[in-house]
Amino acid sequence: EDKVVQSPLSLVVHEGDTVTLNCSYEVTNFRSLLWYKQEKKAPTFLFMLTSSGIEKKSGRLSSILDKKELFSILNITATQTGDSAVYLCAARTGTASKLTFGTGTRLQVTL
Amino acid sequence: DGGITQSPKYLFRKEGQNVTLSCEQNLNHDAMYWYRQDPGQGLRLIYYSQIVNDFQKGDIAEGYSVSREKKESFPLTVTSAQKNPTAFYLCATGAGTSYEQYFGPGTRLTVT
Repeated sequence: EDKVVQSPLSLVVHEGDTVTLNCSYEVTNFRSLLWYKQEKKAPTFLFMLTSSGIEKKSGRLSSILDKKELFSILNITATQTGDSAVYLCAARTGTASKLTFGTGTRLQVTL
Repeated sequence: DGGITQSPKYLFRKEGQNVTLSCEQNLNHDAMYWYRQDPGQGLRLIYYSQIVNDFQKGDIAEGYSVSREKKESFPLTVTSAQKNPTAFYLCATGAGTSYEQYFGPGTRLTVT
């Protein structure tokens, strides 16, 4: 059975802190790893990682994939209250582009 | 205005009734997906469709049914056989197997 595990489950930080969110996966026929941010309703896409060791960056967010150790991290630097959300990672498997999601990390950024 | 629409936003039903959730897209994406999200949990795949008139079961298809008669539409029926239907339902589309999935705003279904 495909499995994606995220840690920590929840996190409270102060504005300006740097956070690292973890995602490990055990799936068959792995294709890529995706990160989403979910604030209230629909998850919004952040990154898709296919190759090991290549960092993807967007503003204060960055992510990297390690296909040998089967994990990915999402870093957020200089956090802001607007970063408060649930961060979901998902492993894409097979030719049908199925996504298996982790349970998410709930991040709360306080003033 | 491109996007994915789901209706209604909130839906209340009595136990034993079937209910159909709508998902419409004008992104011209071939693939469409239905997920269910329960509190404190990630998304779980119910059904998906890669092309019109074809669909496959996901990880938790029991008690659900779908149709894909048009590219733009992928309605999900929650039947009375679904033992615990109260949840947040998300529809998503994908441009192809190498692309990310885009999510609609979701429908929150409450069955009492």
